[in-house]
Amino acid sequence: GQSLEQPSEVTAVEGAIVQINCTYQTSGFYGLSWYQQHDGGAPTFLSYNALDGLEETGRFSSFLSRSDSYGYLLLQELQMKDSASYFCAVISGNTPLVFGKGTRLSVIA
Amino acid sequence: DAGITQSPRHKVTETGTPVTLRCHQTENHRYMYWYRQDPGHGLRLIHYSYGVKDTDKGEVSDGYSVSRSKTEDFLLTLESATSSQTSVYFCAISSGRAGDTQYFGPGTRLTVL
Repeated sequence: GQSLEQPSEVTAVEGAIVQINCTYQTSGFYGLSWYQQHDGGAPTFLSYNALDGLEETGRFSSFLSRSDSYGYLLLQELQMKDSASYFCAVISGNTPLVFGKGTRLSVIA
Repeated sequence: DAGITQSPRHKVTETGTPVTLRCHQTENHRYMYWYRQDPGHGLRLIHYSYGVKDTDKGEVSDGYSVSRSKTEDFLLTLESATSSQTSVYFCAISSGRAGDTQYFGPGTRLTVL
């Protein structure tokens, strides 16, 4: 089967950098995605990694190491609006995404 | 934003009654999905569709059925609602492949008393 592990909660200070880790176990791994969800809202797509390395999109970056079955989401220059839940999701073959249970990020002043 | 709507947005019903949730898309995407989201469990896939009349089960399909008679509509039915089905239900769509980026609807909050 497939499984993902990510921390349940992370707290960071406004303006700082935070890293949210995700480890996964799956067969036929194709890629890792990240989604953001604000309280009361719907999940929205943030990033996708199919190859090893770092992908940068503005203040957000996502990293993948296929050999370690590990990835992370890096948020820089944290803002209060970044307080949300973040989900990693694996893509394997032609099957639907499997989501982790999510990491709740709290940004404090 | 992708054109996805869900109806109703909120519903309160009683145990044992049938409930149908509707997902409607205007993007002509091939794949449609139904998830439920509960505290501590993240997003769990109920059923998904890879084309008109083509559906498959997800991780938590017991007690749910789906139908897709048109590309744009994907219905989720609880034949006899139970309190354990109280949840927030999200519909999502993707094009191309089942693993492609998914776009989510606004969600339906269902309470079964």
